[in-house]
Parts: sequence; structure tokens; C-alpha cells
Amino acid sequence: GAVVSQHPSWVICKSGTSVKIECRSLDFQATTMFWYRQFPKQSLMLMATSNEGSKATYEQGVEKDKFLINHASLTLSTLTVTSAHPEDSSFYICSAGTSGGAHEQFFGPGTRLTVL
Amino acid sequence: SQKIEQNSEALNIQEGKTATLTCNYTNYSPAYLQWYRQDPGRGPVFLLLIRENEKEKRKERLKVTFDTTLKQSLFHITASQPADSATYLCALVLGGADFRTSGTYKYIFGTGTRLKVLA
Repeated sequence: GAVVSQHPSWVICKSGTSVKIECRSLDFQATTMFWYRQFPKQSLMLMATSNEGSKATYEQGVEKDKFLINHASLTLSTLTVTSAHPEDSSFYICSAGTSGGAHEQFFGPGTRLTVL
Repeated sequence: SQKIEQNSEALNIQEGKTATLTCNYTNYSPAYLQWYRQDPGRGPVFLLLIRENEKEKRKERLKVTFDTTLKQSLFHITASQPADSATYLCALVLGGADFRTSGTYKYIFGTGTRLKVLA
């Protein structure tokens, strides 16, 4: 199946700094990528839908100025957490969809962000 | 209000038995319903999709049913093995008419059920 990578796999940063997370589709082109956040023992919460070459669509309650998403190419989307605070600590996962019949999403391995 | 719930936070069963997980939703009209497996610290992995006009779908030891009247899906793992221990998530695949999307579809995930198969 298709492979999606994320980098870094984990990051620890000080409060107030910005962190960039990369999501790459390694062997297919992804016109749409999704960014999720997952807190411990909770389900995936969709943050935004990212389309190549256009602005991301953010879910209600997600601050677009805090979570900057860029989908500059068909294989790369980035999420930047700006001015991170401890409450932003979470597991961030990206996925890329396919246009096939199964509407299968291929998920990256996730990035564990810890803000001190 | 709209919500999607899975039956229990954790389910323990004996090896060899059939595990049955439940996914219930309200106030959604999904085009499809999917099931994913998620291991700790990893991203989910797609298992099965069932369409709104399908009643049942099978794949090896997995079986999914979908009742759009009850707004419920059941996920069965037969002859369960300790390696099946993981969290299982259901996801509704919604067409653009249901929600504001920039893509064609949007995915809403359930709360997940942690399955533990005891040897």
C-alpha cells in the first residue's frame, strides 16, 4: 500500500517557539491531505483539510493563525504550530486520501509534540 | 447533535473467540463507513470499507455489518489472536453535502475501542 511519512516523529520544544511538522506521500501523489490531533485515549480530531496549491480548510475551533498548513506540492504538506504552548502538546497525525473506491486514507506514523 | 460512539473503551476476550465491536452514530448520513486499526504511538491502518447500500463485508477473519436504519456498524474478528490486540476505530466517510469540505469527502472518527485478546 501507499506510504506516508512524517518528520519529526517526536519533538520537545519550549513554550513560545514554533514547530514545523512535515507529511510526505512517498510513492503516490496526494491532492488532499488531512491533519489530525489525538489526545491520549481519545480519537482522532480533524484539524484541517489541505489541498495542493490552495488554502487549507480548517475545522471549527481550530485557529488557522496558530496552525499554519502549507501544501506546496502533491507529495508534501506541512503543519506549523506557531508560538506553541503546553496545551498544544499532543499527537499530530497526517493522512493522504486516494480517489479509489475504498476511500482509504493512508496515515503517517504521527508526531509526538511536547511543549515545556 | 451529531456524534459517533463506539461501544466500550476496552474489550477483553479469550484467544480463539470472536470479538464484536460496535459503532453507533447519530445525525449523520455517511456515504461509507470504514474501520481502522491503531497500535499505540502509531497512525491508524485501514482495514475495511462498507458502503451505505451494503449489509455485510468480509475480509479474511474480519466481518463488518452496516445498518443505516439503526445507524450502527458491527465489526467482528473471528478466531481472535493476541496479535489482534489494538485499538479499533470506526470512521464515517461523509460527502460534501453534509459538511463544508474543500475535498470531496470528510472523515469523522469514533472514539475507538481497545481490544485485548488474552492468550
